[in-house]
Amino acid sequence: EIVLTQSPGTLSLSPGERATLSCRASQSVSSSYLAWYQQKPGQAPRLLIYGASSRATGIPDRFSGSGSGTDFTLTISRLEPEDFAVYYCQQYGTAPRSFGQGTKLEIK
Amino acid sequence: EVQLVESGGGLVQPGGSLRLSCAASGFTFSSYWMHWVRQVPGKGLVWVSRINSDGSSTSYADSVKGRFTISRDNAKNTLYLQMNSLRAEDTAVYYCTRDKEPHTYDAFDIWGQGTLVTVSS
Repeated sequence: EIVLTQSPGTLSLSPGERATLSCRASQSVSSSYLAWYQQKPGQAPRLLIYGASSRATGIPDRFSGSGSGTDFTLTISRLEPEDFAVYYCQQYGTAPRSFGQGTKLEIK
Repeated sequence: EVQLVESGGGLVQPGGSLRLSCAASGFTFSSYWMHWVRQVPGKGLVWVSRINSDGSSTSYADSVKGRFTISRDNAKNTLYLQMNSLRAEDTAVYYCTRDKEPHTYDAFDIWGQGTLVTVSS
């Protein structure tokens, strides 16, 4: 099983700042099959990024994904108040599909 | 509107059984691989099980293998999760979700609202 490790566990930033979230895989992720999800309290996860760098439908362009192999990054260029949430990475190229443990993005 | 709606959660005693349902609408259900993902309140997401579009192939996380069974009824646009021999550690919110594109590996683009399963005496 591919283990995904996200860092940091918690990121404290202010609106307008840039956020950089990391996801490292224990082995290479097949065909960059790496996704990012956002989850707010009491809600289901929402797909942000798939294929490591493609934005899902309706996702603002302040969200961007990059990386390949074992190292991936989610960047939020200018934080809006609604961006404070928990973010998960997921690999879907190798069974079983696995998620990282999450990064909580909180208001500083 | 593309939608997934789970039902069937509740309180069950250890060793008991429960069947979750997920009603799909707004898309061609029979074309998509479907999954169950669970989340202990306050914790992370864990993939549980997957079924292919015609129901001929399934897979499970090791933690539920032999106890849970995923199935689907494409005529009723409904996904199921039969959960037997339930344990306290199965307590979680259970989400159904689908692969973004039909007939292939993909990210999960549509999620239900989740249904809470509590295993306790």
